[in-house]
Amino acid sequence: DAKTTQPPSMDCAEGRAANLPCNHSTISGNEYVYWYRQIHSQGPQYIIHGLKNNETNEMASLIITEDRKSSTLILPHATLRDTAVYYCIALISNFGNEKLTFGTGTRLTIIP
Amino acid sequence: DGGITQSPKYLFRKEGQNVTLSCEQNLNHDAMYWYRQDPGQGLRLIYYSQIVNDFQKGDIAEGYSVSREKKESFPLTVTSAQKNPTAFYLCASSIARQETQYFGPGTRLLVL
Repeated sequence: DAKTTQPPSMDCAEGRAANLPCNHSTISGNEYVYWYRQIHSQGPQYIIHGLKNNETNEMASLIITEDRKSSTLILPHATLRDTAVYYCIALISNFGNEKLTFGTGTRLTIIP
Repeated sequence: DGGITQSPKYLFRKEGQNVTLSCEQNLNHDAMYWYRQDPGQGLRLIYYSQIVNDFQKGDIAEGYSVSREKKESFPLTVTSAQKNPTAFYLCASSIARQETQYFGPGTRLLVL
C-alpha cells in the first residue's frame, strides 16, 4: 500500500495560486493519485485524480512527476472558500476492499 | 439534484441504546461505504457494500451493523457494543468499486 506524505499546514494569499505537494514514493503502477478536501464539519469533497498524465478540471490542476513519486495540486486562484484540509491519497486495493485511507492532510489557510 | 444525503445531522445516544444513521443516494451508484472520523484524524472504514444484499466488514466493524436491501440505501446501526461511538460518520458511494467515491455531509454522533 502506498503511503502519502504531506506538509501539515500551508498559507496562501487570496487570489494567488496555491500549490500543495504530496510525496508517494512507494506508489505502484496501477494506483491512482486522488485529492479530496474537507471543510470543517463537512463531508470530504472530491477534487481531482490522475495516474500518469497531468490533469485539469474546473476546480484544480494535478501535476504528477514523471517517476510518479510525487505530485502537486494547484488551485489557480485561491479564494477564502478554499480554506480546508486537503488529502492526497493513493487508491488502495486489497482483494476488492477499495477503501480510502486519509492521512492527516495539509491544512490550507487562505489569507485575505 | 443528484447526491448523497445523510440524516440526521446530529444524533444523541444514551448508554445501552442502538441508533441508526441513514444514508441515501440517487446517483445510481452500486457501491456504498461507511467511514468514521475522529477529531483531527483521517477516515477509517467501517463497512462497505458493492451490490445490493451484499456487504463486507472494513477495518473497524465491531459494534456496528449495516444492511443493503435497496440500491439507494445503506443504513448504519451503532449498537450498544460500540463502547466509544462519539465520532463524525461519513457515508460515501461510487459508481462501482475502484471508482471515485463521493461523500455525504456526515452525521455527528454524541453520547449522553
